[in-house]
Amino acid sequence: DIQMTQSPSSLSASVGDRLTITCRASQSISTYLNWYQQKPGKAPKLLIYSASSLRSGVPSRFSGSGSGTDFTLTVSTLQPEDFATYYCQQSYSPPLTFGGGTKVEIK
Amino acid sequence: EVQLVESGGGLVKPGGSLRLSCAASGFTFSDAWMSWVRQAPGKGLEWVGRIKSKASGGPIDYATPVKGRFTISRDDSKNTLYLQMNSLKTEDTAVYYCTWDGMNWFALWGQGTLVTVSS
Repeated sequence: DIQMTQSPSSLSASVGDRLTITCRASQSISTYLNWYQQKPGKAPKLLIYSASSLRSGVPSRFSGSGSGTDFTLTVSTLQPEDFATYYCQQSYSPPLTFGGGTKVEIK
Repeated sequence: EVQLVESGGGLVKPGGSLRLSCAASGFTFSDAWMSWVRQAPGKGLEWVGRIKSKASGGPIDYATPVKGRFTISRDDSKNTLYLQMNSLKTEDTAVYYCTWDGMNWFALWGQGTLVTVSS
């Protein structure tokens, strides 16, 4: 199975900060990497697919990069609505696996 | 409106069974690959399994913790996805989401249904 390791597991940040979350795969997954945002009590929402493609309707302050084993989700300027938990997920091969999540809290 | 609506969750004793349903609307369900994803209370997301469209064929894939106990099926005439869960364990307690597993990402999620396994 492909293991996905996210870091950090949590962080505190302020509105206006630049945020970077990393995700590492235990083997190469090309660009089969997706990012989701989840708010408490809600279902996750797709933000980024294929490592760097922004889903339609998602603000352009969100961006993704990487290939192979190392990936990054960046939020250029944190907004109040961005405080949530973020998950990476590999779709290279089953079992499809998620990272452990990064909880972004208000400082 | 494009949406997924799960139902069938509830309280069940260890060793018991439960069947979840997911009603799809607003897209061509018969062409869709569909997955179940679960989330234990206060924990992260865990993929449960995936069924491809009939046209794509191929095996149904399951996560190791549920293989042999859970069965995913679909009724394209009813636009409905199912998850039959047998031999339930306390560690199966979670919110279960159905997802439209399209183009290698989970593009659409239902609101989730809570399954609690407890004596």
